[in-house]
Amino acid sequence: QQQVKQSPQSLIVQKGGISIINCAYENTAFDYFPWYQQFPGKGPALLIAIRPDVSEKKEGRFTISFNKSAKQFSLHIMDSQPGDSATYFCAASGETSGSRLTFGEGTQLTVNP
Amino acid sequence: NAGVTQTPKFQVLKTGQSMTLQCAQDMNHEYMSWYRQDPGMGLRLIHYSVGAGITDQGEVPNGYNVSRSTTEDFPLRLLSAAPSQTSVYFCASSLDLTDTQYFGPGTRLTVL
Repeated sequence: QQQVKQSPQSLIVQKGGISIINCAYENTAFDYFPWYQQFPGKGPALLIAIRPDVSEKKEGRFTISFNKSAKQFSLHIMDSQPGDSATYFCAASGETSGSRLTFGEGTQLTVNP
Repeated sequence: NAGVTQTPKFQVLKTGQSMTLQCAQDMNHEYMSWYRQDPGMGLRLIHYSVGAGITDQGEVPNGYNVSRSTTEDFPLRLLSAAPSQTSVYFCASSLDLTDTQYFGPGTRLTVL
């Protein structure tokens, strides 16, 4: 049972464009929503995270938008660069899952120069 | 600090063989976990530990054993490897369950 659904599976964007990756969750008790970035041959690394008390969080070119009523959150990468080419995972956790992270399926982003 | 280290980086096994994937962290983190990464399935939790001597099962524990005798080390054992265990395995650690997880570089395992 996949509690966090991520789309699209793959995404190709031109340099300077906006990359948007979406996630939907089922468990209304989730209260922590991080995004991890993974480069080929490396382990995932935390990129940005949000809690449901805010609807948006921005760090540089990366923004999380959160819609609690729709149980959805998304990652926006502004001015996408070839160096952003990686696999992105959304995740969620909450007390009912023992605070253990449940990951989405991942999105492979390619930014063409 | 080396962070989270994993050995080996690559391993090929035959069906039925056993092996141990090593994981160590030098950040004095209490929480450690093992994930497997398969195409289109994200990262799935195998086992985790909230401190030395305490382990618990994750989402996909069958075929794997763990132990946590020290804060630093959290080995993952495959007792009788199966082709379905072909995957990339990541170890992660964090201060506690709700904190940032730091991942190791991974072990790519192929079971023939």
